Amino acid sequence: QVQLVESGGGVVQPGKSLRLSCAASGFTFSHYGMHWVRQAPGKGLEWVAVISYDGSNEYYVDSVKGRFTISRDNSKNTLYLQMNSLRAEDTAMYYCAKDRGYCSGGRCDCGDYWGQGTLLTVSS
Amino acid sequence: EIVLTQSPGTLSLSPGERATLSCRASQSLSGSYLAWYQQKPGQAPRLLIYGASNRATGIPDRFSGSGSGTDFTLTITRLEPEDFAVYYCQQYGSSPPNTFGQGTRLEI
Repeated sequence: QVQLVESGGGVVQPGKSLRLSCAASGFTFSHYGMHWVRQAPGKGLEWVAVISYDGSNEYYVDSVKGRFTISRDNSKNTLYLQMNSLRAEDTAMYYCAKDRGYCSGGRCDCGDYWGQGTLLTVSS
Repeated sequence: EIVLTQSPGTLSLSPGERATLSCRASQSLSGSYLAWYQQKPGQAPRLLIYGASNRATGIPDRFSGSGSGTDFTLTITRLEPEDFAVYYCQQYGSSPPNTFGQGTRLEI
Protein backbone atom coordinates (compact mmCIF):
# COMPACT_ATOMS: atom_id res chain seq x y z
CA GLN A 1 0.00 0.00 0.00
CA VAL A 2 1.09 3.58 -0.61
CA GLN A 3 2.98 5.04 2.31
CA LEU A 4 4.47 8.51 2.69
CA VAL A 5 6.47 9.37 5.79
CA GLU A 6 7.66 12.91 6.37
CA SER A 7 10.55 13.82 8.65
CA GLY A 8 12.88 16.68 9.45
CA GLY A 9 10.55 19.11 11.18
CA GLY A 10 11.40 20.84 14.40
CA VAL A 11 11.99 24.22 16.00
CA VAL A 12 14.25 26.61 14.11
CA GLN A 13 15.11 30.28 14.50
CA PRO A 14 14.00 32.89 11.96
CA GLY A 15 16.45 33.23 9.10
CA LYS A 16 17.76 29.69 9.46
CA SER A 17 17.43 26.72 7.13
CA LEU A 18 15.91 23.26 7.37
CA ARG A 19 15.35 20.34 5.02
CA LEU A 20 12.26 18.17 5.12
CA SER A 21 12.18 14.66 3.72
CA CYS A 22 9.36 12.41 2.56
CA ALA A 23 10.08 8.69 2.20
CA ALA A 24 7.77 6.96 -0.25
CA SER A 25 6.88 3.30 -0.64
CA GLY A 26 4.18 1.10 -2.12
CA PHE A 27 4.20 2.65 -5.59
CA THR A 28 6.63 3.42 -8.42
CA PHE A 29 7.92 6.73 -7.08
CA SER A 30 9.66 7.76 -10.30
CA HIS A 31 6.36 7.71 -12.21
CA TYR A 32 4.53 10.37 -10.23
CA GLY A 33 4.73 14.04 -9.44
CA MET A 34 4.96 14.97 -5.78
CA HIS A 35 3.60 17.90 -3.78
CA TRP A 36 4.28 19.70 -0.54
CA VAL A 37 1.26 21.22 1.20
CA ARG A 38 1.30 23.02 4.53
CA GLN A 39 -1.19 23.93 7.21
CA ALA A 40 -0.54 26.62 9.80
CA PRO A 41 -1.95 25.85 13.27
CA GLY A 42 -5.73 26.16 13.21
CA LYS A 43 -5.74 27.29 9.58
CA GLY A 44 -6.58 25.85 6.17
CA LEU A 45 -4.46 24.04 3.62
CA GLU A 46 -1.91 25.90 1.53
CA TRP A 47 -0.29 24.31 -1.50
CA VAL A 48 3.47 24.99 -1.41
CA ALA A 49 5.28 23.28 -4.27
CA VAL A 50 5.21 20.46 -6.79
CA ILE A 51 7.87 18.59 -8.73
CA SER A 52 7.42 16.51 -11.86
CA TYR A 53 8.05 12.78 -11.94
CA ASP A 54 11.60 13.20 -13.22
CA GLY A 55 12.47 16.37 -11.36
CA SER A 56 12.65 18.45 -14.54
CA ASN A 57 9.88 20.87 -13.54
CA GLU A 58 9.19 22.61 -10.25
CA TYR A 59 6.52 25.10 -9.27
CA TYR A 60 6.08 27.14 -6.11
CA VAL A 61 3.56 29.34 -4.38
CA ASP A 62 4.70 32.97 -4.53
CA SER A 63 5.31 33.24 -0.79
CA VAL A 64 8.15 30.69 -0.87
CA LYS A 65 9.72 31.39 -4.27
CA GLY A 66 13.43 32.01 -3.95
CA ARG A 67 13.50 30.57 -0.40
CA PHE A 68 12.26 26.97 -0.77
CA THR A 69 13.49 24.31 -3.18
CA ILE A 70 11.67 21.07 -3.89
CA SER A 71 13.74 18.14 -5.14
CA ARG A 72 13.62 14.39 -5.36
CA ASP A 73 15.94 11.40 -5.46
CA ASN A 74 14.21 8.68 -7.44
CA SER A 75 16.94 6.19 -6.56
CA LYS A 76 16.04 6.63 -2.89
CA ASN A 77 12.28 7.09 -3.33
CA THR A 78 12.54 10.31 -1.39
CA LEU A 79 11.16 13.82 -1.80
CA TYR A 80 12.78 16.85 -0.20
CA LEU A 81 11.94 20.42 0.65
CA GLN A 82 14.92 22.67 1.35
CA MET A 83 13.73 25.72 3.26
CA ASN A 84 15.99 28.76 3.64
CA SER A 85 15.48 32.18 5.22
CA LEU A 86 12.68 30.81 7.35
CA ARG A 87 10.06 33.15 8.73
CA ALA A 88 7.55 32.90 11.56
CA GLU A 89 4.78 32.62 8.97
CA ASP A 90 6.32 29.39 7.68
CA THR A 91 5.28 27.70 10.93
CA ALA A 92 3.00 24.84 9.89
CA MET A 93 2.47 21.15 9.51
CA TYR A 94 4.06 20.14 6.22
CA TYR A 95 2.50 17.29 4.26
CA CYS A 96 3.86 15.53 1.21
CA ALA A 97 1.34 14.16 -1.25
CA LYS A 98 1.57 11.94 -4.29
CA ASP A 99 0.20 13.38 -7.50
CA ARG A 100 -2.30 11.27 -9.41
CA GLY A 101 -0.13 11.58 -12.51
CA TYR A 102 3.26 12.46 -13.93
CA CYS A 103 2.89 16.21 -13.42
CA SER A 104 4.74 17.22 -16.56
CA GLY A 105 4.57 20.26 -18.78
CA GLY A 106 3.04 22.37 -16.02
CA ARG A 107 -0.06 20.22 -15.79
CA CYS A 108 -0.34 18.50 -12.46
CA ASP A 109 -3.13 16.55 -10.87
CA CYS A 110 -4.34 16.49 -7.29
CA GLY A 111 -2.83 14.58 -4.39
CA ASP A 112 -4.33 11.14 -3.92
CA TYR A 113 -2.19 9.92 -1.03
CA TRP A 114 -0.83 12.01 1.81
CA GLY A 115 1.64 11.52 4.59
CA GLN A 116 0.87 12.31 8.21
CA GLY A 117 2.97 15.46 8.16
CA THR A 118 5.96 16.92 9.98
CA LEU A 119 5.68 20.04 12.13
CA LEU A 120 7.91 23.05 11.57
CA THR A 121 8.00 25.83 14.15
CA VAL A 122 9.93 28.99 13.35
CA SER A 123 10.55 30.90 16.54
CA SER A 124 13.33 32.69 18.35
CA GLU B 1 -4.02 32.95 -9.56
CA ILE B 2 -7.39 31.23 -9.24
CA VAL B 3 -9.19 31.92 -5.95
CA LEU B 4 -11.64 29.37 -4.56
CA THR B 5 -14.42 30.49 -2.21
CA GLN B 6 -16.22 27.83 -0.19
CA SER B 7 -19.61 28.23 1.42
CA PRO B 8 -20.94 28.02 3.99
CA GLY B 9 -18.06 28.44 6.42
CA THR B 10 -19.78 26.14 8.89
CA LEU B 11 -22.65 23.75 8.26
CA SER B 12 -24.58 22.29 11.20
CA LEU B 13 -26.53 19.13 10.45
CA SER B 14 -27.57 15.86 12.05
CA PRO B 15 -26.68 12.28 11.15
CA GLY B 16 -28.94 11.00 8.40
CA GLU B 17 -29.39 14.44 6.83
CA ARG B 18 -28.04 15.61 3.47
CA ALA B 19 -25.11 18.03 3.23
CA THR B 20 -24.47 20.35 0.30
CA LEU B 21 -21.14 22.18 0.18
CA SER B 22 -20.26 24.79 -2.42
CA CYS B 23 -16.99 25.85 -4.04
CA ARG B 24 -16.85 28.80 -6.42
CA ALA B 25 -13.81 29.61 -8.57
CA SER B 26 -12.74 33.12 -9.57
CA GLN B 27 -12.36 31.92 -13.16
CA SER B 28 -13.55 28.96 -15.14
CA LEU B 29 -11.72 25.69 -14.45
CA SER B 30 -11.03 24.12 -17.82
CA GLY B 31 -11.40 20.37 -17.73
CA SER B 32 -13.25 20.57 -14.39
CA TYR B 33 -9.99 20.03 -12.54
CA LEU B 34 -11.52 20.32 -9.09
CA ALA B 35 -10.90 18.04 -6.12
CA TRP B 36 -12.54 17.68 -2.72
CA TYR B 37 -10.76 16.56 0.43
CA GLN B 38 -11.93 15.61 3.91
CA GLN B 39 -9.81 16.37 6.95
CA LYS B 40 -10.49 15.21 10.50
CA PRO B 41 -8.71 16.67 13.55
CA GLY B 42 -5.12 15.52 13.82
CA GLN B 43 -5.23 13.71 10.49
CA ALA B 44 -3.95 14.33 7.00
CA PRO B 45 -6.43 15.30 4.29
CA ARG B 46 -8.07 12.47 2.38
CA LEU B 47 -8.98 12.75 -1.30
CA LEU B 48 -12.71 12.25 -1.85
CA ILE B 49 -13.43 13.51 -5.36
CA TYR B 50 -11.25 14.39 -8.36
CA GLY B 51 -12.17 15.77 -11.75
CA ALA B 52 -15.20 17.40 -10.09
CA SER B 53 -17.27 14.19 -10.03
CA ASN B 54 -15.05 11.10 -9.77
CA ARG B 55 -14.90 9.32 -6.43
CA ALA B 56 -11.43 8.39 -5.25
CA THR B 57 -10.57 4.81 -4.35
CA GLY B 58 -12.52 3.52 -1.36
CA ILE B 59 -14.82 6.51 -1.02
CA PRO B 60 -18.43 5.58 -0.17
CA ASP B 61 -21.08 6.39 -2.75
CA ARG B 62 -22.89 8.73 -0.36
CA PHE B 63 -20.22 11.25 -1.43
CA SER B 64 -20.76 12.82 -4.84
CA GLY B 65 -19.36 15.81 -6.68
CA SER B 66 -20.85 17.89 -9.45
CA GLY B 67 -20.39 21.14 -11.29
CA SER B 68 -18.34 22.74 -14.03
CA GLY B 69 -16.94 26.10 -15.01
CA THR B 70 -16.87 28.14 -11.81
CA ASP B 71 -19.45 26.43 -9.59
CA PHE B 72 -18.93 23.08 -7.92
CA THR B 73 -20.78 21.13 -5.26
CA LEU B 74 -19.96 18.29 -2.88
CA THR B 75 -23.03 16.41 -1.71
CA ILE B 76 -23.09 13.94 1.16
CA THR B 77 -26.33 12.02 1.39
CA ARG B 78 -27.36 10.37 4.66
CA LEU B 79 -24.63 11.80 6.90
CA GLU B 80 -22.79 9.29 9.06
CA PRO B 81 -21.15 10.29 12.39
CA GLU B 82 -17.69 9.90 10.83
CA ASP B 83 -18.50 12.45 8.09
CA PHE B 84 -18.32 15.41 10.45
CA ALA B 85 -15.04 17.06 9.51
CA VAL B 86 -13.59 19.94 7.49
CA TYR B 87 -13.90 19.80 3.71
CA TYR B 88 -11.63 21.58 1.24
CA CYS B 89 -11.87 22.05 -2.50
CA GLN B 90 -8.74 22.43 -4.65
CA GLN B 91 -8.24 23.44 -8.25
CA TYR B 92 -5.48 21.91 -10.35
CA GLY B 93 -4.69 21.21 -13.97
CA SER B 94 -3.83 24.73 -15.01
CA SER B 95 -0.35 25.96 -14.25
CA PRO B 96 0.30 25.91 -10.51
CA PRO B 97 -0.35 27.16 -7.86
CA ASN B 98 -2.93 24.50 -7.10
CA THR B 99 -4.96 26.62 -4.73
CA PHE B 100 -7.30 25.41 -2.00
CA GLY B 101 -10.53 26.91 -0.77
CA GLN B 102 -10.67 28.10 2.83
CA GLY B 103 -12.69 25.07 3.95
CA THR B 104 -16.18 24.25 5.21
CA ARG B 105 -16.60 22.84 8.71
CA LEU B 106 -19.37 20.25 8.87
CA GLU B 107 -20.47 19.91 12.48
CA ILE B 108 -23.12 17.96 14.31
